[in-house]
Formats: sequence, C-alpha cells, structure tokens
Amino acid sequence: SAVISQKPSRDICQRGTSLTIQCQVDSQVTMMFWYRQQPGQSLTLIATANQGSEATYESGFVIDKFPISRPNLTFSTLTVSNMSPEDSSIYLCSVVQGSEQYFGPGTRLTVT
Amino acid sequence: GQQLNQSPQSMFIQEGEDVSMNCTSSSIFNTWLWYKQEPGEGPVLLIALYKAGELTSNGRLTAQFGITRKDSFLNISASIPSDVGIYFCAGHSKTSGSRLTFGEGTQLTVNP
Repeated sequence: SAVISQKPSRDICQRGTSLTIQCQVDSQVTMMFWYRQQPGQSLTLIATANQGSEATYESGFVIDKFPISRPNLTFSTLTVSNMSPEDSSIYLCSVVQGSEQYFGPGTRLTVT
Repeated sequence: GQQLNQSPQSMFIQEGEDVSMNCTSSSIFNTWLWYKQEPGEGPVLLIALYKAGELTSNGRLTAQFGITRKDSFLNISASIPSDVGIYFCAGHSKTSGSRLTFGEGTQLTVNP
C-alpha cells in the first residue's frame, strides 16, 4: 500500500491567517484527494487534486478558500486561507493505488 | 449527494464478544470499503469488497458486499481492547465515479 506523509501533523493558528499543508506519497499516483474531518464527524471530500491542472472542488468548497497545488504525481499541497474557528478540523490527504484508497495521518488544525 | 446510513453509531462491549455493524444505501454501490480510525490517525483500510455477495476476511474481521449492492456489513469476532476506534464504511456508487462516499462511523469501545 502507498505510504503517505503529511506536514505539519498539527498546528494552532490565529484567525485571518493561512496554513499550507503538504502531502507526500512514496510512489506515483494518479488520483489524489483532500478531505476534511470536523470534530466527531465523518470525512468530507474537499477536492480532487489534478496533476498539471486546476483541482476539482466539491459543492461547498471553493478555490479561493482552499487553493490546491499538484506539481507532480507524488506531492500536493492544500492551503486553508483566511482561517476562522469553523476551519478547525483534521485535513487528510488520500490517494488511490490500484482499486484501493489510502489516507495520510492527517493534519489537526485548531484556529483560535 | 449520496448517503450511507451506518449503524450502530456506537457500541460498548466486553472483551471477547463479537461485534457487527452495517451500512445501507438507497443507491447501488460498485465497491465497499471498511476503514478503522484511531485517535490522532488517518483511516486505515481494513477490507475492500468488489462483487455483490463477496465475503472477505482479514484475521478476526469479516465483511460482506450485500447481494442487492445496497448494503455491507463488518463483523469482528472475539474483540480485544485494541479493536477500539471508529469504523467507517465507504463506497463508490455508480454516480460518484472515483469519489468515495463515507458512512457516519461506528464508535467501538471494548471493556477489558
């Protein structure tokens, strides 16, 4: 299975600032996704990170708030912009390898 | 969007007991995946199912892809304290393409 690392593992940020989360995979993957998991909730898909083109966002998520980069097949970043306390969540990177989907360890974000 | 109804929401059991949880949908799913998430970690894939009626085991875990393709269950036999965590079902429906739909999770507590 793919090995996925994320940086940072956690952060505490002030409202109005931005945080960029990095996702690194140990092998080339075509499909890469970013999810949000709010406290005590299930996972919600933010967007599909497309290599070499703009990310595809799900309903309720916009590029200005969650810009995503995917410069190659092993790396992606998600930025949470102009943060508010409602953005406090775990953000998870996920990849598809074969017909299975794997998740990174997550980035726990607290916005004060 | 697609919804998966996962039950029960939580379970409190004694070590050694068997556990069963299930997911249902009003739509047909092409794959079913079962994940376990422990505190501070990302979801870990336990079992993947690809065919209606498929029954797959992974150690003490057994999962089945419902014959109607609208449900799946996960059984854990002879539970142990390290089984504690949140178990999520997830699947690909006909309309979701590569995007996974998640259930709300089952919080499992095992008392020694």
